[in-house]
Amino acid sequence: QKEVEQDPGPLSVPEGAIVSLNCTYSNSAFQYFMWYRQYSRKGPELLMYTYSSGNKEDGRFTAQVDKSSKYISLFIRDSQPSDSATYLCAMSASNAGGTSYGKLTFGQGTILTVHP
Amino acid sequence: DVKVTQSSRYLVKRTGEKVFLECVQDMDHENMFWYRQDPGLGLRLIYFSYDVKMKEKGDIPEGYSVSREKKERFSLILESASTNQTSMYLCASRPGGVGGYTFGSGTRLTVV
Repeated sequence: QKEVEQDPGPLSVPEGAIVSLNCTYSNSAFQYFMWYRQYSRKGPELLMYTYSSGNKEDGRFTAQVDKSSKYISLFIRDSQPSDSATYLCAMSASNAGGTSYGKLTFGQGTILTVHP
Repeated sequence: DVKVTQSSRYLVKRTGEKVFLECVQDMDHENMFWYRQDPGLGLRLIYFSYDVKMKEKGDIPEGYSVSREKKERFSLILESASTNQTSMYLCASRPGGVGGYTFGSGTRLTVV
Protein backbone atom coordinates (compact mmCIF):
# COMPACT_ATOMS: atom_id res chain seq x y z
CA GLN A 1 0.00 0.00 0.00
CA LYS A 2 1.32 3.42 -0.95
CA GLU A 3 1.80 5.97 1.79
CA VAL A 4 -0.20 8.54 -0.17
CA GLU A 5 -3.09 7.64 -2.46
CA GLN A 6 -4.54 10.04 -5.01
CA ASP A 7 -7.15 9.32 -7.65
CA PRO A 8 -5.34 9.91 -10.96
CA GLY A 9 -8.55 10.83 -12.77
CA PRO A 10 -8.66 12.18 -15.38
CA LEU A 11 -11.27 14.64 -14.21
CA SER A 12 -13.15 16.76 -16.74
CA VAL A 13 -15.47 19.59 -15.65
CA PRO A 14 -17.22 22.55 -17.28
CA GLU A 15 -16.00 26.06 -16.66
CA GLY A 16 -17.44 27.50 -13.45
CA ALA A 17 -17.77 24.13 -11.69
CA ILE A 18 -16.53 23.42 -8.19
CA VAL A 19 -13.70 20.90 -8.29
CA SER A 20 -12.80 18.60 -5.41
CA LEU A 21 -9.42 16.86 -5.39
CA ASN A 22 -8.55 14.39 -2.65
CA CYS A 23 -5.73 12.38 -1.11
CA THR A 24 -5.62 9.80 1.63
CA TYR A 25 -2.54 8.78 3.54
CA SER A 26 -1.46 6.10 5.97
CA ASN A 27 1.45 7.69 7.87
CA SER A 28 0.05 9.32 11.01
CA ALA A 29 3.31 11.26 11.44
CA PHE A 30 2.51 13.54 8.49
CA GLN A 31 1.88 17.08 9.70
CA TYR A 32 2.66 19.34 6.74
CA PHE A 33 0.43 19.17 3.69
CA MET A 34 0.86 20.77 0.33
CA TRP A 35 -0.82 20.98 -3.04
CA TYR A 36 1.18 21.52 -6.20
CA ARG A 37 -0.06 22.37 -9.68
CA GLN A 38 1.86 21.11 -12.70
CA TYR A 39 1.20 22.36 -16.20
CA SER A 40 2.20 20.23 -19.15
CA ARG A 41 5.98 20.12 -19.70
CA LYS A 42 6.62 22.23 -16.61
CA GLY A 43 7.78 21.51 -13.07
CA PRO A 44 5.27 21.49 -10.20
CA GLU A 45 4.55 24.83 -8.50
CA LEU A 46 3.41 25.21 -4.91
CA LEU A 47 -0.26 26.14 -4.64
CA MET A 48 -1.19 25.66 -0.98
CA TYR A 49 0.74 24.87 2.21
CA THR A 50 -0.97 23.89 5.47
CA TYR A 51 0.05 22.61 8.85
CA SER A 52 -1.97 20.05 10.83
CA SER A 53 -5.78 19.94 10.60
CA GLY A 54 -8.08 22.69 9.43
CA ASN A 55 -8.89 24.82 6.41
CA LYS A 56 -6.89 27.35 4.46
CA GLU A 57 -8.29 29.60 1.78
CA ASP A 58 -6.49 31.50 -0.97
CA GLY A 59 -8.69 33.11 -3.56
CA ARG A 60 -10.62 30.41 -5.40
CA PHE A 61 -8.65 27.64 -3.69
CA THR A 62 -9.41 26.02 -0.33
CA ALA A 63 -7.28 23.31 1.26
CA GLN A 64 -8.75 21.08 3.96
CA VAL A 65 -6.92 18.68 6.22
CA ASP A 66 -8.63 16.07 8.40
CA LYS A 67 -5.88 14.29 10.30
CA SER A 68 -8.30 12.07 12.20
CA SER A 69 -9.43 10.56 8.88
CA LYS A 70 -6.00 10.92 7.20
CA TYR A 71 -7.67 12.77 4.36
CA ILE A 72 -6.86 16.04 2.60
CA SER A 73 -8.77 17.93 -0.05
CA LEU A 74 -8.32 20.82 -2.43
CA PHE A 75 -11.40 22.70 -3.63
CA ILE A 76 -11.37 24.97 -6.64
CA ARG A 77 -14.33 27.34 -6.96
CA ASP A 78 -15.43 28.87 -10.24
CA SER A 79 -12.97 26.72 -12.15
CA GLN A 80 -11.34 28.20 -15.25
CA PRO A 81 -9.76 26.62 -18.34
CA SER A 82 -6.43 27.96 -17.02
CA ASP A 83 -6.85 25.59 -14.03
CA SER A 84 -6.36 22.64 -16.39
CA ALA A 85 -3.27 20.89 -15.06
CA THR A 86 -2.10 17.97 -12.95
CA TYR A 87 -2.61 18.52 -9.23
CA LEU A 88 -0.28 16.77 -6.81
CA CYS A 89 -0.74 16.41 -3.10
CA ALA A 90 2.39 16.15 -0.96
CA MET A 91 3.09 15.76 2.72
CA SER A 92 5.88 15.44 5.25
CA ALA A 93 6.32 14.50 8.88
CA SER A 94 8.55 17.41 9.72
CA ASN A 95 9.45 20.87 8.59
CA ALA A 96 13.09 20.07 9.13
CA GLY A 97 14.24 20.00 5.56
CA GLY A 98 17.61 18.63 6.42
CA THR A 99 16.37 15.30 7.67
CA SER A 100 14.61 12.31 6.26
CA TYR A 101 11.54 13.43 8.15
CA GLY A 102 11.40 16.65 6.17
CA LYS A 103 11.26 15.03 2.77
CA LEU A 104 8.00 15.16 0.86
CA THR A 105 5.95 12.16 -0.17
CA PHE A 106 3.77 12.83 -3.22
CA GLY A 107 0.52 11.42 -4.48
CA GLN A 108 0.33 10.22 -8.09
CA GLY A 109 -1.35 13.41 -9.28
CA THR A 110 -4.85 14.07 -10.64
CA ILE A 111 -5.21 15.31 -14.21
CA LEU A 112 -7.86 18.04 -14.38
CA THR A 113 -9.37 19.50 -17.53
CA VAL A 114 -11.74 22.47 -17.35
CA HIS A 115 -13.53 22.95 -20.65
CA PRO A 116 -15.13 26.23 -21.74
CA ASP B 1 11.22 34.55 -6.82
CA VAL B 2 13.42 31.53 -6.35
CA LYS B 3 14.63 30.12 -9.57
CA VAL B 4 15.70 26.53 -10.05
CA THR B 5 17.35 25.94 -13.40
CA GLN B 6 17.93 22.55 -14.96
CA SER B 7 20.53 22.64 -17.68
CA SER B 8 18.68 20.58 -20.29
CA ARG B 9 15.00 20.24 -21.15
CA TYR B 10 15.45 17.17 -23.35
CA LEU B 11 18.27 14.63 -23.52
CA VAL B 12 18.74 11.48 -25.55
CA LYS B 13 21.49 9.13 -24.43
CA ARG B 14 22.63 5.65 -25.33
CA THR B 15 22.57 2.65 -23.02
CA GLY B 16 25.76 2.48 -20.99
CA GLU B 17 26.62 6.17 -21.25
CA LYS B 18 27.44 8.20 -18.18
CA VAL B 19 24.89 11.00 -17.89
CA PHE B 20 25.09 14.22 -15.91
CA LEU B 21 22.01 16.25 -15.05
CA GLU B 22 22.74 19.67 -13.61
CA CYS B 23 20.60 21.82 -11.35
CA VAL B 24 21.31 25.33 -10.07
CA GLN B 25 19.27 27.40 -7.61
CA ASP B 26 19.76 31.10 -6.98
CA MET B 27 18.30 31.68 -3.51
CA ASP B 28 20.86 30.18 -1.15
CA HIS B 29 18.64 27.23 -0.19
CA GLU B 30 20.19 24.61 2.04
CA ASN B 31 18.18 21.66 0.76
CA MET B 32 18.12 20.27 -2.76
CA PHE B 33 16.38 17.21 -4.18
CA TRP B 34 16.26 15.03 -7.25
CA TYR B 35 13.01 13.29 -8.20
CA ARG B 36 11.93 11.26 -11.17
CA GLN B 37 8.37 11.41 -12.42
CA ASP B 38 6.72 8.54 -14.26
CA PRO B 39 3.08 8.09 -15.34
CA GLY B 40 1.10 6.21 -12.72
CA LEU B 41 3.96 6.34 -10.21
CA GLY B 42 4.08 10.04 -9.41
CA LEU B 43 7.24 11.67 -8.07
CA ARG B 44 9.81 9.43 -6.46
CA LEU B 45 12.78 10.75 -4.51
CA ILE B 46 16.19 9.67 -5.78
CA TYR B 47 18.61 11.63 -3.59
CA PHE B 48 18.64 14.77 -1.52
CA SER B 49 21.23 17.03 0.05
CA TYR B 50 20.91 19.31 3.04
CA ASP B 51 24.34 20.90 2.84
CA VAL B 52 27.42 21.14 0.67
CA LYS B 53 29.07 17.73 0.23
CA MET B 54 26.22 16.10 2.20
CA LYS B 55 23.84 13.67 0.55
CA GLU B 56 21.23 11.14 1.56
CA LYS B 57 19.56 8.37 -0.38
CA GLY B 58 15.93 8.73 -1.20
CA ASP B 59 13.51 5.97 -2.08
CA ILE B 60 15.05 4.85 -5.38
CA PRO B 61 18.82 5.60 -5.37
CA GLU B 62 19.94 2.50 -7.27
CA GLY B 63 21.80 3.36 -10.47
CA TYR B 64 22.24 7.00 -9.49
CA SER B 65 24.74 9.12 -7.63
CA VAL B 66 24.87 12.83 -6.80
CA SER B 67 27.36 15.58 -6.23
CA ARG B 68 27.05 18.84 -4.34
CA GLU B 69 30.34 20.72 -4.34
CA LYS B 70 28.74 24.17 -4.13
CA LYS B 71 25.61 25.23 -2.29
CA GLU B 72 23.79 26.36 -5.41
CA ARG B 73 24.51 23.32 -7.58
CA PHE B 74 23.26 19.75 -7.26
CA SER B 75 24.16 17.22 -9.93
CA LEU B 76 22.54 13.87 -10.64
CA ILE B 77 24.75 11.23 -12.26
CA LEU B 78 23.61 8.11 -14.05
CA GLU B 79 26.73 5.97 -13.92
CA SER B 80 25.67 3.68 -16.78
CA ALA B 81 22.38 4.70 -18.32
CA SER B 82 19.76 2.03 -18.88
CA THR B 83 16.44 2.14 -20.72
CA ASN B 84 14.49 1.89 -17.46
CA GLN B 85 15.96 5.25 -16.50
CA THR B 86 14.00 6.94 -19.27
CA SER B 87 11.94 9.44 -17.33
CA MET B 88 11.26 13.06 -16.41
CA TYR B 89 13.82 14.24 -13.85
CA LEU B 90 12.90 17.09 -11.55
CA CYS B 91 15.22 19.07 -9.31
CA ALA B 92 13.87 21.02 -6.34
CA SER B 93 15.18 23.20 -3.55
CA ARG B 94 13.84 24.55 -0.29
CA PRO B 95 15.18 26.69 2.54
CA GLY B 96 16.15 25.21 5.88
CA GLY B 97 13.01 26.44 7.64
CA VAL B 98 9.39 26.71 6.56
CA GLY B 99 8.17 26.45 3.01
CA GLY B 100 7.46 24.08 0.20
CA TYR B 101 9.75 23.03 -2.58
CA THR B 102 10.58 25.09 -5.66
CA PHE B 103 10.96 22.90 -8.70
CA GLY B 104 12.85 23.31 -11.93
CA SER B 105 11.13 22.75 -15.28
CA GLY B 106 12.45 19.23 -15.56
CA THR B 107 14.70 17.25 -17.89
CA ARG B 108 13.07 14.63 -20.05
CA LEU B 109 15.69 11.92 -20.51
CA THR B 110 15.36 9.19 -23.08
CA VAL B 111 17.80 6.29 -22.99
CA VAL B 112 17.94 4.28 -26.22
